[in-house]
Amino acid sequence: AQSVTQLGSHVSVSEGALVLLRCNYSSSVPPYLFWYVQYPNQGLQLLLKYTSAATLVKGINGFEAEFKKSETSFHLTKPSAHMSDAAEYFCAVRSSNDYKLSFGAGTTVTVRA
Amino acid sequence: DTEVTQTPKHLVMGMTNKKSLKCEQHMGHRAMYWYKQKAKKPPELMFVYSYEKLSINESVPSRFSPECPNSSLLNLHLHALQPEDSALYLCASSPDEAGRFREAFFGQGTRLTVV
Repeated sequence: AQSVTQLGSHVSVSEGALVLLRCNYSSSVPPYLFWYVQYPNQGLQLLLKYTSAATLVKGINGFEAEFKKSETSFHLTKPSAHMSDAAEYFCAVRSSNDYKLSFGAGTTVTVRA
Repeated sequence: DTEVTQTPKHLVMGMTNKKSLKCEQHMGHRAMYWYKQKAKKPPELMFVYSYEKLSINESVPSRFSPECPNSSLLNLHLHALQPEDSALYLCASSPDEAGRFREAFFGQGTRLTVV
């Protein structure tokens, strides 16, 4: 079964600093990979998705992620954190032949002024 | 329109009550999902409907009963729930057609409290 592992349950950054959230996947075939963000008491919003068209994927709100097959990773970055980036972030994976979208444990991001 | 609409936003129900959660999308998506999310945890898949047929049931207790009346609507019928069923229930949909990418779009969720 497809799965993802998010390293670090909590990340704290200063406003304006780099945000780096780590995600590793387990798959023997190229998976579909996603990053979602969840603000308190809200649903999940898609930040970006890996489509295999490009290894560097740009998403909304200034986030981007790089797919590295050799490292089975899909880390999420943002060059300069904003207070509004404080939220829960989930990496998710889906195989090409079923409907199951499986989530990592999540990473809570706090931004210090 | 890229919205998945869930009603109600909040629901409080007793353990003997029967209630339903509703989900609607008008994006033409053919797969629809129910997820359960406890506090500080990732969403857990409950059910998947594909082309209005139940394709995945993740061993969910029978007190949860899904229904897909048509391609735009998804219901979750609740009966005789337990306090531990209190959670955020999320509905999602995805295109799931050949040639289209398979990202899932989520609703805002229904916050369910069982008393």
